[in-house]
Amino acid sequence: LAKTTQPISMDSYEGQEVNITCSHNNIATNDYITWYQQFPSQGPRFIIQGYKTKVTNEVASLFIPADRKSSTLSLPRVSLSDTAVYYCLVGEYGNKLVFGAGTILRVKS
Amino acid sequence: DSGVTQTPKHLITATGQRVTLRCSPRSGDLSVYWYQQSLDQGLQFLIQYYNGEERAKGNILERFSAQQFPDLHSELNLSSLELGDSALYFCASSVGGQVSYEQYFGPGTRLTVT
Repeated sequence: LAKTTQPISMDSYEGQEVNITCSHNNIATNDYITWYQQFPSQGPRFIIQGYKTKVTNEVASLFIPADRKSSTLSLPRVSLSDTAVYYCLVGEYGNKLVFGAGTILRVKS
Repeated sequence: DSGVTQTPKHLITATGQRVTLRCSPRSGDLSVYWYQQSLDQGLQFLIQYYNGEERAKGNILERFSAQQFPDLHSELNLSSLELGDSALYFCASSVGGQVSYEQYFGPGTRLTVT
């Protein structure tokens, strides 16, 4: 399983765009990149998944460079309710999910 | 709301006891996963069931066991409880049998062992 490295925490203000970068130097050919969001005392919520280039949904965008050794989760115009822990997971279907420590995002008013 | 339900929401019990946690997956999902989240260990995968059969195993202790019933709900049994078993236990579900990276998590059961 590819090891991932994320910042421990980030601070932002309401209305700003937030970019959280995840490093995964040992990513394998069959690995996908998946991001989850978790609020305190709630289960993680699937946000977005990608393999290469850019993926966008109604919540976020995921940017993956050509070498796939990193990825960036972009949250447009964050609000206080986006304060949560964000996990980057890398692996292929069939392998168990391995959650790291995640990035604590704090959005301030 | 993910569509995954878990009961009970909270559970307080004593060391040495046995408890059962229940999970109902999203409609149409055949796989159920169990996770344990504690402050010192983070979110740990325990076990996966697919359509009634065990499919993948993670860091599940021998004192813990799980099963998935014909109606697809699942139960996680924890026995000979220790203080260190205090944690949030999450159930998740997905459609297929292979471990999926798009899982839908329930609200969790908070277990406190005293």
